[in-house]
Amino acid sequence: EAGVTQFPSHSVIEKGQTVTLRCDPISGHDNLYWYRRVMGKEIKFLLHFVKESKQDESGMPNNRFLAERTGGTYSTLKVQPAELEDSGVYFCASSQERHTGELFFGEGSRLTVL
Amino acid sequence: RKEVEQDPGPFNVPEGATVAFNCTYSNSASQSFFWYRQDCRKEPKLLMSVYSSGNEDGRFTAQLNRASQYISLLIRDSKLSDSATYLCVVIFMDTGRRALTFGSGTRLQVQP
Repeated sequence: EAGVTQFPSHSVIEKGQTVTLRCDPISGHDNLYWYRRVMGKEIKFLLHFVKESKQDESGMPNNRFLAERTGGTYSTLKVQPAELEDSGVYFCASSQERHTGELFFGEGSRLTVL
Repeated sequence: RKEVEQDPGPFNVPEGATVAFNCTYSNSASQSFFWYRQDCRKEPKLLMSVYSSGNEDGRFTAQLNRASQYISLLIRDSKLSDSATYLCVVIFMDTGRRALTFGSGTRLQVQP
């Protein structure tokens, strides 16, 4: 069974540009999460989808970040316009259960903003 | 103050050694606790949940002390393959949030 896959694995863009990250969760997992780790800091929660609905988006840093999950399958996270402090690794995770500590993570999308 | 704090290490130990990591959390309303493992430039993976009574999985033992608000992970008979970063993870229940809150991780390097 395929795990959580993320694309691209690494993206380098200039400040002010737009980047879209994609996540394909494990098939059948209704719960999809975005987390990120910026340099030197701990992994932090961004948001949680249940199917196509945003269950919790309390971790989204500002309105430059837009997450979607149309159809309840894959998800995209768009950063527009990107700033230097957005650099980091963006992890997607999925789970079958809603209230669980067992999340299956993708390998992450490393974003570098110059 | 961080919600979940860990000693960043690194812990450099020889093969066969026993090593223990501690993690403290700030919110007494916490409910669920976990240890994740992350290899270099890889994704975090669940190592084990931490139960109130303590639990063991092979060479790994996890303990929870609610009164002192800390969690520990003990690794016995360390292997080279145990080299990784160990992440302490808590789910806080007071705000209704169910997201995982991560510590910054403790790096372990097991040497031959």
